[in-house]
Amino acid sequence: DAGVTQSPTHLIKTRGQQVTLRCSPKSGHDTVSWYQQALGQGPQFIFQYYEEEERQRGNFPDRFSGHQFPNYSSELNVNALLLGDSALYLCASSGGPGVLHFGNGTRLTVT
Amino acid sequence: QKEVEQDPGPLSVPEGAIVSLNCTYSNSAFQYFMWYRQYSRKGPELLMYTYSSGNKEDGRFTAQVDKSSKYISLFIRDSQPSDSATYLCAMSNTNAGKSTFGDGTTLTVKP
Repeated sequence: DAGVTQSPTHLIKTRGQQVTLRCSPKSGHDTVSWYQQALGQGPQFIFQYYEEEERQRGNFPDRFSGHQFPNYSSELNVNALLLGDSALYLCASSGGPGVLHFGNGTRLTVT
Repeated sequence: QKEVEQDPGPLSVPEGAIVSLNCTYSNSAFQYFMWYRQYSRKGPELLMYTYSSGNKEDGRFTAQVDKSSKYISLFIRDSQPSDSATYLCAMSNTNAGKSTFGDGTTLTVKP
């Protein structure tokens, strides 16, 4: 049973560019959340998707947007990249109360 | 001030030691308390999940929640070199919404 898978694993972009990160949830999970983890810090909640709708959003600008597909997979899009967007982006899925299953993340470097 | 504060560490202990990891929080609405372990270059994995106050034990791990003091702890008995990782506390006010994380404590267990 595959866990949460994320692609790509690493990405290097230039300031001002746009990026799309992808996530496939654990089998049977219908809820996907995205987190940003800067170096030396804990994950920060970006948003959560359920039934293809954004259900909850953290304190991130509109440059961060997402999508969930009918098969529950999800994308995170970031526009107009800033140097400060360099971080590990984590996707987590859940199929019931409380427990988050994380992928190994996408390491984004903005130069 | 952050909603969740975690003892920053780093922490270095000899094999077999008892380890205590701690977090405090300010949001009295938090009802669900989690501890995650994160190895280098990996996503967080759930260790312990507790609802409301009290203790929970799982093998060598014990989680304690004191809601009156807004204080949670994770104890690791008979620590092993394989326990060397970053430990993240996380909290939520619902069982399906966003989790708020501490910044992690890095633990090294020396053989």
